[in-house]
Amino acid sequence: GENVEQHPSTLSVQEGDSAVIKCTYSDSASNYFPWYKQELGKGPQLIIDIRSNVGEKKDQRIAVTLNKTAKHFSLHITETQPEDSAVYFCAAGQAGTALIFGKGTTLSVSS
Amino acid sequence: KAGVTQTPRYLIKTRGQQVTLSCSPISGHRSVSWYQQTPGQGLQFLFEYFSETQRNKGNFPGRFSGRQFSNSRSEMNVSTLELGDSALYLCASSSLRADTGELFFGEGSRLTVL
Repeated sequence: GENVEQHPSTLSVQEGDSAVIKCTYSDSASNYFPWYKQELGKGPQLIIDIRSNVGEKKDQRIAVTLNKTAKHFSLHITETQPEDSAVYFCAAGQAGTALIFGKGTTLSVSS
Repeated sequence: KAGVTQTPRYLIKTRGQQVTLSCSPISGHRSVSWYQQTPGQGLQFLFEYFSETQRNKGNFPGRFSGRQFSNSRSEMNVSTLELGDSALYLCASSSLRADTGELFFGEGSRLTVL
């Protein structure tokens, strides 16, 4: 089955800096790669996703890149703000199987 | 539009007991997935239901079971509780198959096993 590795497990940055979180997946058939943000006391919420026919996708300060050959994808957050502090999860999936999540990255943005 | 509702939000049980957790999906959503969240393991997939049928199952022992009703509401049950079952149990609903559409998560049911 699919296995998703996520790094780093914790990340501390200064406000205004960029943050990068990386994930690798094992199943080459996976074609859907979402990123979720979980704030304290809440359930995870989708912030951006990418499908295998696209190499990069941007939404304001957030971008995701996908390298299907290397089987890895990354989340990039620019101009970080204190409200970006949360746990971020990557996931991989395909039609007919469950969405498998990484173990999460705790991002702390200090002002 | 109301979000995903999970009940109870918090519960404490002792080893050997059983527990039932409930999830009401967003209106119109037919797919419900359950995940176990622990500090060391992140989000681990338990099972997914679509139109009352279990479509996928994760690698959990048979003590973990679930079902979905005709109104898409879902329940999960854990029998013979163990200390290691202490976790946040998250339910997520989707209008499409859970693997290819956005998952909308509830706030979870936090289970403590003593």
